[in-house]
Amino acid sequence: DAKTTQPPSMDCAEGRAANLPCNHSTISGNEYVYWYRQIHSQGPQYIIHGLKNNETNEMASLIITEDRKSSTLILPHATLRDTAVYYCIVRAPTPTGNMLTFGGGTRLMVKP
Amino acid sequence: EAGVTQFPSHSVIEKGQTVTLRCDPISGHDNLYWYRRVMGKEIKFLLHFVKESKQDESGMPNNRFLAERTGGTYSTLKVQPAELEDSGVYFCASSQRHTYEQYFGPGTRLTVT
Repeated sequence: DAKTTQPPSMDCAEGRAANLPCNHSTISGNEYVYWYRQIHSQGPQYIIHGLKNNETNEMASLIITEDRKSSTLILPHATLRDTAVYYCIVRAPTPTGNMLTFGGGTRLMVKP
Repeated sequence: EAGVTQFPSHSVIEKGQTVTLRCDPISGHDNLYWYRRVMGKEIKFLLHFVKESKQDESGMPNNRFLAERTGGTYSTLKVQPAELEDSGVYFCASSQRHTYEQYFGPGTRLTVT
């Protein structure tokens, strides 16, 4: 699996967009970028994933650079409930499974 | 639709005792994963079932850990005998065969004293 690099922590004002960067310069052509988050004391929660095109769902947007060496998760209007540790994971899904390798993640603190 | 459930939510046992954790995946999800986070460390993969078959158990720390998924429905993870370093939070996740998102349960916090 490609190694990812994320800032250990970030702050964001409530109501503003939170932009969480991830560097994955050694990503391979068949590897996807996944984002999960873990809110305190809960299990990790899937947010979004993509291969090379930008993706958007009801939770967030994922912007992947053209060379695929980095990506940004965007929470368009952060709320206090978005305070969590966000994990960027790069993985090539196998035909029968897709184990996740969690790193340290980015601890996002949304402040009022 | 019910999510992934885990039981118990918290278990406190003494060193040398046995504990069994249970995970009920989302109905219809063939893939079931176990992960754990020990104190101060990152979340680590333990093993992966496809239906009742162990697809990958490369993350199991040692032979004190035994996972089963009889009938391809719920799964159990037994720790016998428990050691102090087994303390942590054990997560279960499930996914459909052909999609890639994993849905995690709330975890079981295991404390070995």
